[in-house]
Amino acid sequence: AQTVTQSQPEMSVQEAETVTLSCTYDTSESDYYLFWYKQPPSRQMILVIRQEAYKQQNATENRFSVNFQKAAKSFSLKISDSQLGDAAMYFCAYRSEEIGNQFYFGTGTSLTVIP
Amino acid sequence: GAGVSQTPSNKVTEKGKYVELRCDPISGHTALYWYRQSLGQGPEFLIYFQGTGAADDSGLPNDRFFAVRPEGSVSTLKIQRTERGDSAVYLCASSLRYATEAFFGQGTRLTVV
Repeated sequence: AQTVTQSQPEMSVQEAETVTLSCTYDTSESDYYLFWYKQPPSRQMILVIRQEAYKQQNATENRFSVNFQKAAKSFSLKISDSQLGDAAMYFCAYRSEEIGNQFYFGTGTSLTVIP
Repeated sequence: GAGVSQTPSNKVTEKGKYVELRCDPISGHTALYWYRQSLGQGPEFLIYFQGTGAADDSGLPNDRFFAVRPEGSVSTLKIQRTERGDSAVYLCASSLRYATEAFFGQGTRLTVV
């Protein structure tokens, strides 16, 4: 089974500053998808950004961007101009390209934004 | 509905009791997933439905856990003879058949006392 590792249980950032959350994964597949989900105290997992493994260009969604290094099996999330509303648990997730295959999640990083 | 709906939001039950957790997916989504999230952990896969059938139930921890989706829409996760170790947040997600991302509900927090 694929494994996803998030080595930073907790991170903090000053409001308006930039923070990077790390994620590595292990797989023997060549085609797959990677995701970052945000989970606020409401518990609902919210999709932040998605990356297809076959795309070399790093995904970007407004203040959120990723650094996808396929050979190194690394998928970090950069949050620019951090806002108080960014405070949450962030989960990195892997999904095979096969239709309907399950998501594999990391253990999460708790992000605190300091005013 | 507009999003994935899970009921109840919180459930407290006594050890040994039977519980049912309900998931109402986004209309038109044929794929439905159940995950379990223990405190301080990431979600762990339990079961996946494509339509009415369970396409993958390899994550169900034992035969006390069972899930159904009789009409291909609403799903119910059933737990028999609950144990304190079953305490967790149970998340449901749905997606279109050929979509890559899934949409999650707000989860049901189950507490077994």
